Amino acid sequence: DTGVSQDPRHKITKRGQNVTFRCDPISEHNRLYWYRQTLGQGPEFLTYFQNEAQLEKSRLLSDRFSAERPKGSFSTLEIQRTEQGDSAMYLCASSLNSDLWGYTFGSGTRLTVV
Amino acid sequence: GESVGLHLPTLSVQEGDNSIINCAYSNSASDYFIWYKQESGKGPQFIIDIRSNMDKRQGQRVTVLLNKTVKHLSLQIAATQPGDSAVYFCAETPYGQNFVFGPGTRLSVLP
Repeated sequence: DTGVSQDPRHKITKRGQNVTFRCDPISEHNRLYWYRQTLGQGPEFLTYFQNEAQLEKSRLLSDRFSAERPKGSFSTLEIQRTEQGDSAMYLCASSLNSDLWGYTFGSGTRLTVV
Repeated sequence: GESVGLHLPTLSVQEGDNSIINCAYSNSASDYFIWYKQESGKGPQFIIDIRSNMDKRQGQRVTVLLNKTVKHLSLQIAATQPGDSAVYFCAETPYGQNFVFGPGTRLSVLP
């Protein structure tokens, strides 16, 4: 296992379309996090899972956003009816319980809404 | 809301000089801090961390200083190299779950 994997690396979509991103965490990590990062800013927390349970969602996670982790392994983040303001880098991170030292980020999915 | 911020958005240093990147945080409940390095097109990469019961921690060419009295964090990079060019973020967590990041400082190493 070489780290947190995210797919696709880049996605261009037309406004109004739905998009889905995938994150594969480090295999032994039971916690998985989603962040959004806009240009020139630091990552902003969206949501996190412990195993398959979604334990926290930030105010940034509007009704158009949904995240799942059905088997407690990989996770998907879906954005419905995309808007230009959704253009950002979507980062996934994973950790083993609350082991913050092992908190590892993936390389992200760059979304561009045109 | 409570947030983490940086004093300088950009920093240019000569190769071989030392770099100091500063960060202010506002959540007094934060007990763990990390400095991340992010290169273009990549996710944040862990550099060094520090817990609130410490005021200094050293790694390989990097040192983090924590001043809880004024809620200030700094990252010192010794003998800055071209490979150190990147955006640096400090991040805090008060609850041991998600991190709160500042806006970042771009470090540019001049030849």
